[in-house]
Amino acid sequence: KAGVTQTPRYLIKTRGQQVTLSCSPISGHRSVSWYQQTPGQGLQFLFEYFSETQRNKGNFPGRFSGRQFSNSRSEMNVSTLELGDSALYLCASSTGQSSYEQYFGPGTRLTVT
Amino acid sequence: QKEVEQNSGPLSVPEGAIASLNCTYSDRVSQSFFWYRQYSGKSPELIMSIYSNGDKEDGRFTAQLNKASQYVSLLIRDSQPSDSATYLCAVTPRGNEKLTFGTGTRLTIIP
Repeated sequence: KAGVTQTPRYLIKTRGQQVTLSCSPISGHRSVSWYQQTPGQGLQFLFEYFSETQRNKGNFPGRFSGRQFSNSRSEMNVSTLELGDSALYLCASSTGQSSYEQYFGPGTRLTVT
Repeated sequence: QKEVEQNSGPLSVPEGAIASLNCTYSDRVSQSFFWYRQYSGKSPELIMSIYSNGDKEDGRFTAQLNKASQYVSLLIRDSQPSDSATYLCAVTPRGNEKLTFGTGTRLTIIP
């Protein structure tokens, strides 16, 4: 079974721009969660989507948004990029029911200059 | 107090010995507990999940959960150099996908 895929793997953007990251979950998984990983803050939860609905949300500003499509693929958008948004963005998928085991994709490395 | 606490290490263990990694959590409603392994430059990989008090064994790995003490641990038997990585403890409340992670323990296995 194919794992979680994320595109693109690397991005370089300028302050003030916006960016869209994509995540395709494991086949059959209906939940997609997004995390930000930085050396200073570690892994922090952004939001989770299940059946096209945002089910959980972390403590990030409104510049961070997401959506999920009917095929469970998810996108995350960050508007008005700041230098502090430079991080590894990880998505994880799970069935969304019972076990809550989450499997991570390889991540997108975003650098804001 | 952090929600999930781990000793950041580094923890150095001789090859073939038992590595013991510890994690405490503050939210008593936490119901699901996970250990992830993350190699440098890679994404976290799920290695163990545990939901009930007691021990759960999978190969060389044993997860231990004590909800009364709000404590979860991971034992790695017969440690190998390939076990050198950062180990992340994560917890979720009941029926919730929001994983809260500790900062991770860096483990080094010395040949």
